[in-house]
Amino acid sequence: NAGVMQNPRHLVRRRGQEARLRCSPMKGHSHVYWYRQLPEEGLKFMVYLQKENIIDESGMPKERFSAEFPKEGPSILRIQQVVRGDSAAYFCASSRPSGEGTDTQYFGPGTRLTVL
Amino acid sequence: AQRVTQPEKLLSVFKGAPVELKCNYSYSGSPELFWYVQYSRQRLQLLLRHISRESIKGFTADLNKGETSFHLKKPFAQEEDSAMYYCALSGYTSGSRLTFGEGTQLTVNP
Repeated sequence: NAGVMQNPRHLVRRRGQEARLRCSPMKGHSHVYWYRQLPEEGLKFMVYLQKENIIDESGMPKERFSAEFPKEGPSILRIQQVVRGDSAAYFCASSRPSGEGTDTQYFGPGTRLTVL
Repeated sequence: AQRVTQPEKLLSVFKGAPVELKCNYSYSGSPELFWYVQYSRQRLQLLLRHISRESIKGFTADLNKGETSFHLKKPFAQEEDSAMYYCALSGYTSGSRLTFGEGTQLTVNP
């Protein structure tokens, strides 16, 4: 099992462009989480998705950010009209329901977004 | 609101010395607490969770509900323990999402 895959690992965008971050969960995992880590800060929850459903998006900024997890293919975190404040490391995690407490989340290597 | 506090950003000890990484939380309910570790150039990985009551790589952590703490301890630190450590919390009202502390960078000197 290759683990959670994220691409690209590094992404550079100019202000106003769009950023698309991809996450392929571990085999057999149907839950995906996105977290953002700003410089010198801890990871902050953004959104929790299951296949074709957004379960919890309470951590997503209200504008410019969206996420999806289609029936086929990776989960996508999309940031429109990027600004310098979007520069951060974006981590994806996946899990499968265990029925016992909080499911263990397995993290990807992250995508480091730099906005010029 | 739920919150996790790791008061030390940096912690440095010598090899063989005991180490304790502090974690305090606030949550109105029964939380689940976790420690995650990130070694240099590697991804974040689960070290231990309080409901497992396991000892991983010699580390233990006890949930103290009275003091709302979940400190990570190891009696004899090793150089390979040098890493970034994150305490995290999950609760019934928050579903499966994790709330992380800001992390403690542990350095074990030879």
